[in-house]
Amino acid sequence: DAKTTQPTSMDCAEGRAANLPCNHSTISGNEYVYWYRQIHSQGPQYIIHGLKNNETNEMASLIITEDRKSSTLILPHATLRDTAVYYCIVRVGNNDMRFGAGTRLTVKP
Amino acid sequence: DVKVTQSSRYLVKRTGEKVFLECVQDMDHENMFWYRQDPGLGLRLIYFSYDVKMKEKGDIPEGYSVSREKKERFSLILESASTNQTSMYLCASSLTLGIQQETQYFGPGTRLLVL
Repeated sequence: DAKTTQPTSMDCAEGRAANLPCNHSTISGNEYVYWYRQIHSQGPQYIIHGLKNNETNEMASLIITEDRKSSTLILPHATLRDTAVYYCIVRVGNNDMRFGAGTRLTVKP
Repeated sequence: DVKVTQSSRYLVKRTGEKVFLECVQDMDHENMFWYRQDPGLGLRLIYFSYDVKMKEKGDIPEGYSVSREKKERFSLILESASTNQTSMYLCASSLTLGIQQETQYFGPGTRLLVL
């Protein structure tokens, strides 16, 4: 039972912002939205998470809609090293880490 | 910076061998996890541990066991490796913060091939 829906793939020009959408229409009130990415043959890397408010850290920004049914991960200035599969996850429990297929982001020169 | 390390990046074993995968974290995290990742199936939880000497089964524990003798170390054991255990194995750790969400941090993964 997929809790999130993401596009299969996206392209972005180097230096431009990459905006990765995620739908989570059945999210419940105590579920957080997490984003991870996985570069080929490496372990998933934590990016950011949030509950209701928009969040920003050194890697990215997370915009969550007011109804919490969707969110967008923003990489403000994408580089070639940002090419990866990006996973959006909603979770409530500590062991509830369920990765779907994610979005394959390709940053092009 | 959280660091989770895994003993091997690549491993080749024969069917029937006993296989040990080691994971070490350096941030004093209480919780540790073992997953496997296969194309089209995403991450699947094998076992996790909330404390030293504690273990809980995940979604697919069959054919695996674990050991947590020290807080920083969590071992995954394949008692008798089979070809269907060929996979990418990922270790993760997280802090316990009461009921608050705990971010899981992953190691680099071990790609295991069983021949």
